[in-house]
Amino acid sequence: TQLLEQSPQFLSIQEGENLTVYCNSSSVFSSLQWYRQEPGEGPVLLVTVVTGGEVKKLKRLTFQFGDARKDSSLHITAAQPGDTGLYLCAGFGNEKLTFGTGTRLTIIP
Amino acid sequence: DSGVTQTPKHLITATGQRVTLRCSPRSGDLSVYWYQQSLDQGLQFLIQYYNGEERAKGNILERFSAQQFPDLHSELNLSSLELGDSALYFCASSASGGMSGGELFFGEGSRLTVL
Repeated sequence: TQLLEQSPQFLSIQEGENLTVYCNSSSVFSSLQWYRQEPGEGPVLLVTVVTGGEVKKLKRLTFQFGDARKDSSLHITAAQPGDTGLYLCAGFGNEKLTFGTGTRLTIIP
Repeated sequence: DSGVTQTPKHLITATGQRVTLRCSPRSGDLSVYWYQQSLDQGLQFLIQYYNGEERAKGNILERFSAQQFPDLHSELNLSSLELGDSALYFCASSASGGMSGGELFFGEGSRLTVL
């Protein structure tokens, strides 16, 4: 069974601060995605990373795929209240998309 | 709006009962996926269908079953319900059949409460 552990599980920070969320596994994935989920809604895709070591930027969000394609990180610069939500990583492998345990982020104005 | 429609949005039932959750994928998408999300947890993959055929199976209980119909909508049947089955059930769709990194589009979920 492929498991994706995310840390931290909960994070509450002030507006304007920077933060990093981690997604780790002992399994290798062909690609990895990050989703954000808001209350009462389904997850929405933020990014897909495919190549080991790949870095993608989406405005204030920076995503990195580990060299060995087993882990990933999401860095947010100058967090804003609109960044609040549940962040989920998800890895493709063994014909399945496996989701991580999730990081619930709260940005305090 | 993702284009994926799930009904019902909320469902309250008793232990031992059976319920059916329905999903209409985005227009043109051939794959449908079902996920279960318990309180404050990530999503657990249940099952995937592609163009009417079962494509991949996750940790789906024997009490649960699903199917995809010729018009591509899908139903998830949950029977002999237990308290622990209370969760959000999400349907997602994608254009491709393989798990090759394509985007999944999620519905708003069906919240099941078993009393």
